Amino acid sequence: GAGVSQSPSNKVTEKGKDVELRCDPISGHTALYWYRQSLGQGLEFLIYFQGNSAPDKSGLPSDRFSAERTGGSVSTLTIQRTQQEDSAVYLCASSSRQSTDTQYFGPGTRLTVL
Amino acid sequence: RKEVEQDPGPFNVPEGATVAFNCTYSNSASQSFFWYRQDCRKEPKLLMSVYSSGNEDGRFTAQLNRASQYISLLIRDSKLSDSATYLCVVNNNAGNMLTFGGGTRLMVKP
Repeated sequence: GAGVSQSPSNKVTEKGKDVELRCDPISGHTALYWYRQSLGQGLEFLIYFQGNSAPDKSGLPSDRFSAERTGGSVSTLTIQRTQQEDSAVYLCASSSRQSTDTQYFGPGTRLTVL
Repeated sequence: RKEVEQDPGPFNVPEGATVAFNCTYSNSASQSFFWYRQDCRKEPKLLMSVYSSGNEDGRFTAQLNRASQYISLLIRDSKLSDSATYLCVVNNNAGNMLTFGGGTRLMVKP
């Protein structure tokens, strides 16, 4: 079956511009997570959605970052007024309600802010 | 102090060698533990869960020591295809958010 997909795969933008990153989770998965991985660094949790519950936004680094999940499926991560330190790979993962410990990752979006 | 700490390596080993990775975690309330594998410029993929009793999957053995807050991964008879970064991962059940270590890079050479 189809795995987690993300788009675009690469995004180059200029400092100060807004960007939107998209994630399509595995069909039927109720939980969706956003992480980011800076060059040579580990993964950093950003935000978590579970069903219709309020999202856990505790990992968002600033108010320039926001995310939505429409209809319990597709999610969009928006970064406003991008800064060079936002450059990273943004990874989305999803998991089923029965097995929330096992997270399946998408291929990521590589964001470069010039 | 990082919540999950790993030796970044790299570990350079010949084919057939046995190699062990260690990881420590700081949150004593952590409930679930995993090893993920990440190939260069790819997404992380679950390698195996780690249980208190220890568990084995082919050439891979994982151990958990809750008292010492320590997790290990042993790879026997290393293959070239084992070359990757191994991520120690902890779930403290706070919303099922996974906390990742920085990863240990393994390079298996002919």
